[in-house]
Amino acid sequence: AIQMTQSPSSLSASVGDRVTITCRASQGIGHDLGWYQQKPGKAPKLLIYAAFILQSGVPSRFSASGSGTDFTLTISSLQPEDFATYYCVQDYNYPLTFGGGTKVE
Amino acid sequence: EVQLVESGGGLVQPGGSLRLSCAASGFSFSTYYMYWVRQAPGEGPEWLANINQDGSEKNYVDSVKGRFTISRDNARNALYLQMNSLRADDAAVYYCARDRAHCSGGTCSLALDYWGQGTLVTV
Repeated sequence: AIQMTQSPSSLSASVGDRVTITCRASQGIGHDLGWYQQKPGKAPKLLIYAAFILQSGVPSRFSASGSGTDFTLTISSLQPEDFATYYCVQDYNYPLTFGGGTKVE
Repeated sequence: EVQLVESGGGLVQPGGSLRLSCAASGFSFSTYYMYWVRQAPGEGPEWLANINQDGSEKNYVDSVKGRFTISRDNARNALYLQMNSLRADDAAVYYCARDRAHCSGGTCSLALDYWGQGTLVTV
């Protein structure tokens, strides 16, 4: 199975900060990566799919890039509602695998 | 409005069975791949299984293969997960999700755009 490694596992930031989260795949996955945001007690929410495509309705302060093995999610100016845990997931092959998460505090 | 509502979770003894249901509404259910994803307390999400539009193709993570069965009833707009031989490490919140599948150039990318609220399974 492809392993997805996120870093950092947690970070502290303030409103207005630029935040970058990285996700590394154990093998090349092309652009087959998505990013999800999860708040406590809620289901994950789709932010990005196909490595860089912003899901409809997601604020433009979220962006993502990368291909192959290295990917990044960037929040250009952190807002109060962005404090959450973020997960990457690869859909290059089965089993689909999620990263361990990055908690933004 | 798209809605996914899971039910069927609860407390079960090790070795027991449960059948989870996911009632879909607000979209053309029969035209979407559907997924089950679970999340153990304090852990990240884990993909369990998916099923194609007509139920002819199913995929499972190894840890549930042979114990869990995903199925769907397009006439009832319902997705199911039959869970047998449950173990302590199956305890989690179980979510169903819809894949809107972004397709380009003959390939499709996963995009789980709607999720249910989750149902808790305790073993």
